[in-house]
Amino acid sequence: NAGVTQTPKFRILKIGQSMTLQCTQDMNHNYMYWYRQDPGMGLKLIYYSVGAGITDKGEVPNGYNVSRSTTEDFPLRLELAAPSQTSVYFCASSYGGRANYGYTFGSGTRLTVV
Amino acid sequence: EDKVVQSPLSLVVHEGDTVTLNCSYEVTNFRSLLWYKQEKKAPTFLFMLTSSGIEKKSGRLSSILDKKELFSILNITATQTGDSAIYLCAVLGLAYSGAGSYQLTFGKGTKLSVIP
Repeated sequence: NAGVTQTPKFRILKIGQSMTLQCTQDMNHNYMYWYRQDPGMGLKLIYYSVGAGITDKGEVPNGYNVSRSTTEDFPLRLELAAPSQTSVYFCASSYGGRANYGYTFGSGTRLTVV
Repeated sequence: EDKVVQSPLSLVVHEGDTVTLNCSYEVTNFRSLLWYKQEKKAPTFLFMLTSSGIEKKSGRLSSILDKKELFSILNITATQTGDSAIYLCAVLGLAYSGAGSYQLTFGKGTKLSVIP
């Protein structure tokens, strides 16, 4: 009963490097989300997807890209890492957009850009 | 733009105390309000509230929503050290102009510390 799995758990990047944060869920949820959480702040939505092949921008999409080729996977891509992208990233999923049972969150990826 | 404001931002209590955490919101097309508990890692779901005046209860935790005054409270009675966490309030609505579907807007959280 894995739920939402994120990898890696920690990563240090140099400015200008690129990387992909992986997220996979095994609950057959159609909605998936990427959030970032900065210290002392709430979670802010980066991108979301309502189903395979469909993605849309959230509140803070600049500097990120996503794809959703399957129901299970929703990777987040950073093309040119910047110090402002130092944050903790959470992937989440839900069955439907109305969060009737809450969102299920992954355990997070702590990213530091130096 | 949707806003969720939680208070206090941090709180230190002794074991056995009762605490009340507050969440006020301004949301376009409100659908529901959710409470999460965040310890060291991912937020975990506590409650979802959609109707005013109906208390949701789980053990020592309870929550209620007032849709007229646009706020919710989370009560924790007989606090224990294991209740130490950040409590996040989130509201499901059309979070910002151009949003294609309902989204959760999170408050900054209340950091609760329970000392023995």
